[in-house]
Amino acid sequence: EAGVAQSPRYKIIEKRQSVAFWCNPISGHATLYWYQQILGQGPKLLIQFQNNGVVDDSQLPKDRFSAERLKGVDSTLKIQPAKLEDSAVYLCASSFSRDSNIQYFGAGTRLSVL
Amino acid sequence: RKEVEQDPGPFNVPEGATVAFNCTYSNSASQSFFWYRQDCRKEPKLLMSVYSSGNEDGRFTAQLNRASQYISLLIRDSKLSDSATYLCVPLAARQLTFGSGTQLTVLP
Repeated sequence: EAGVAQSPRYKIIEKRQSVAFWCNPISGHATLYWYQQILGQGPKLLIQFQNNGVVDDSQLPKDRFSAERLKGVDSTLKIQPAKLEDSAVYLCASSFSRDSNIQYFGAGTRLSVL
Repeated sequence: RKEVEQDPGPFNVPEGATVAFNCTYSNSASQSFFWYRQDCRKEPKLLMSVYSSGNEDGRFTAQLNRASQYISLLIRDSKLSDSATYLCVPLAARQLTFGSGTQLTVLP
């Protein structure tokens, strides 16, 4: 079974530039999550989708971050404009449903903002 | 106070040693609990769920104390391949909250 796919694996940008990350969840998984993991910390949930609807985006900095999952499968996360403190690994995870406690993570996108 | 507190370590132990990690959580509404393992520069992966009565999976034993809001993970007969960061993860309101993790290095 294919896992959660993310791209790109690495991205280096300058502050105030824009960047987008892509995620393809495990086939059949209705719930998709984006996490931010800063070095030395655990992953922090940014946004959760159930199919193509947002379930929880309370921790998403909406002035600069946006995410969508238009067809209920792939998702993109965008940062515009990026700040130095956005340097982190952005992890996408999926689960079969909201009631499924087990989340499967992609390898992540490592973002460096210079 | 952080929602999930873990000793960051690092714990450096010889092969074959027994090592224990502790975790406390602040949200009393947490319903389920997990330990995830994260290798260096890799994604987190579920290691085991933690049940109220405590549970064992091979060399790994997890314990839960709801009254003290405390979770533990015991690893017996440590292997080199156990070197990783161990993340304590309570679930509340269908949302996982990850601790910052405890780093373990098993030495030959």
